[in-house]
Amino acid sequence: DGGITQSPKYLFRKEGQNVTLSCEQNLNHDAMYWYRQDPGQGLRLIYYSQIVNDFQKGDIAEGYSVSREKKESFPLTVTSAQKNPTAFYLCASSMALSSGNTIYFGEGSWLTVV
Amino acid sequence: AQRVTQPEKLLSVFKGAPVELKCNYSYSGSPELFWYVQYSRQRLQLLLRHISRESIKGFTADLNKGETSFHLKKPFAQEEDSAMYYCALRTGGFKTIFGAGTRLFVKA
Repeated sequence: DGGITQSPKYLFRKEGQNVTLSCEQNLNHDAMYWYRQDPGQGLRLIYYSQIVNDFQKGDIAEGYSVSREKKESFPLTVTSAQKNPTAFYLCASSMALSSGNTIYFGEGSWLTVV
Repeated sequence: AQRVTQPEKLLSVFKGAPVELKCNYSYSGSPELFWYVQYSRQRLQLLLRHISRESIKGFTADLNKGETSFHLKKPFAQEEDSAMYYCALRTGGFKTIFGAGTRLFVKA
């Protein structure tokens, strides 16, 4: 089954610990994204990457970090600096088109910090 | 500031009734607008995009630059249209931001 794979689906961590969410795509897409989804707030962009070894902050990047060492992988680290990390995280990817690029989403990862 | 506003969190209509999901955006450049949909237990997926000027599953959306709107419309709602709908705005490069979403509930 091709597409975007996020792991793990559910993750529990203690407060103060860093945690890394995995995102892998086999669609040969250049661009990848991380969104956070909270009830009533829709999807908020954390980071995005247009090409390998390059990424940009989204609207809520504080407390998060990413890397893009390979085209197919875009892991997200939720650091202890993130004040409210409990959320649903969505990874996505798209082709590098000048317009009309469709974004494809993973199934998401639930992170609960206790 | 770049922003997408969906004023309705929940929209409930009867089957066969017209439906309009509102979306307003704020962006100083040339916008690209999309509607994404999430059906129960499925991934978020593209419904339609303004540059294609297409009708998907009976839904249409027209970009109105004067009113900075991209409302999603369907003349006759079906029960299978019940889902969460997100309006999205692509700005420069690949940055794409989403609205808060509107849950559409179509009653039998």
